[in-house]
Amino acid sequence: NAGVTQTPKFQVLKTGQSMTLQCAQDMNHNSMYWYRQDPGMGLRLIYYSASEGTTDKGEVPNGYNVSRLNKREFSLRLESAAPSQTSVYFCASRSGYNTEAFFGQGTRLTVV
Amino acid sequence: AQTVTQSQPEMSVQEAETVTLSCTYDTSENNYYLFWYKQPPSRQMILVIRQEAYKQQNATENRFSVNFQKAAKSFSLKISDSQLGDTAMYFCALDSNYQLIWGAGTKLIIKP
Repeated sequence: NAGVTQTPKFQVLKTGQSMTLQCAQDMNHNSMYWYRQDPGMGLRLIYYSASEGTTDKGEVPNGYNVSRLNKREFSLRLESAAPSQTSVYFCASRSGYNTEAFFGQGTRLTVV
Repeated sequence: AQTVTQSQPEMSVQEAETVTLSCTYDTSENNYYLFWYKQPPSRQMILVIRQEAYKQQNATENRFSVNFQKAAKSFSLKISDSQLGDTAMYFCALDSNYQLIWGAGTKLIIKP
């Protein structure tokens, strides 16, 4: 049972480069999320998709875009990476409100 | 705005001791869910325990229990008979519709 799979696990980008983080879940969950985790700040929501076909901004959406490709997949795109986007990124999914969220292993992104 | 505050950035206790992690929150909703997640050094996020605001009885899961004080908006986690494997970051989260609002986390170190 794979759960939530994120790729890649590590990435180094130069300022201005673009990249897409991929996330897929095999639990038939409706809701999917992208978070960033920085030291001392917990998890901050970038974007979420409450259900297939919908996406909404979270707390820190600037500099990011998302696509809910289908029920399984939710990708995060950095169009022009900046050093401030150096962080660990987590994808998560869950069935809906009040249910357990399942997380991917995270992507450590460094922008130089 | 809904917020979650964890006032203890770091705690350490001896193995087998009991430790309590604090969490306070703010919400205008009447029914909601609260969660505690742990993040060991592997970075994997793991659900520890869940509490529904409508339930007066405090949730317990083996060595983990909560002290839920709805009027005070407090949701502390007690770990009994602490083990070395409990060493991790612990995050408190408030479920608000489709979003989870996270605290900044408490780093818990269990010393042998």
